[in-house]
Amino acid sequence: QQPVQSPQAVILREGEDAVINCSSSKALYSVHWYRQKHGEAPVFLMILLKGGEQKGHEKISASFNEKKQQSSLYLTASQLSYSGTYFCGTEGSNTGKLIFGQGTTLQVKP
Amino acid sequence: GAGVSQSPSNKVTEKGKDVELRCDPISGHTALYWYRQSLGQGLEFLIYFQGNSAPDKSGLPSDRFSAERTGGSVSTLTIQRTQQEDSAVYLCASSLAGADGYTFGSGTRLTVV
Repeated sequence: QQPVQSPQAVILREGEDAVINCSSSKALYSVHWYRQKHGEAPVFLMILLKGGEQKGHEKISASFNEKKQQSSLYLTASQLSYSGTYFCGTEGSNTGKLIFGQGTTLQVKP
Repeated sequence: GAGVSQSPSNKVTEKGKDVELRCDPISGHTALYWYRQSLGQGLEFLIYFQGNSAPDKSGLPSDRFSAERTGGSVSTLTIQRTQQEDSAVYLCASSLAGADGYTFGSGTRLTVV
């Protein structure tokens, strides 16, 4: 089942913070986060695994609440380059396959 | 190669014709995925290959869609008797086995006219 992302869209000024949420109705093994700029391929940001392990870019922060089957991506002191669509992908039971949410569009203005 | 390579980058085909889309994953990546992205939409899972295991075909939308992966490397997604609703960007991704991020290719934009 497709995870649900919120909000659907966010508009920020440079330097402001944002949180993007991802919620699943199923137990999760891992959550991935990707950013896609217009006309480009999605780019990997971070993976959060059941048990607390995280891998990803140093400047990206995220959390994974296994009990609530939720993950949040924290974007602090936003820059213009943060603009794009953010997707969470969820994996159940170590299947190796991600099901992606519908995306959250982030626009950072000067 | 350095990244995931997909070809062609753009394909315009007439309704009813067959098309083949190619994906060349990162060398050494055992997992390969195909996703479809319609205009302004999210990423729809199609099929997943992992090593020598049987592929997970659970996302293929109809029997007009098929995919193969030869020698654990290059993959081809075939769409037979294309329909207008098949128009989308088809993205291929690869990853190392286990907990690792996906690397996506630039995609093939398919337009069925």
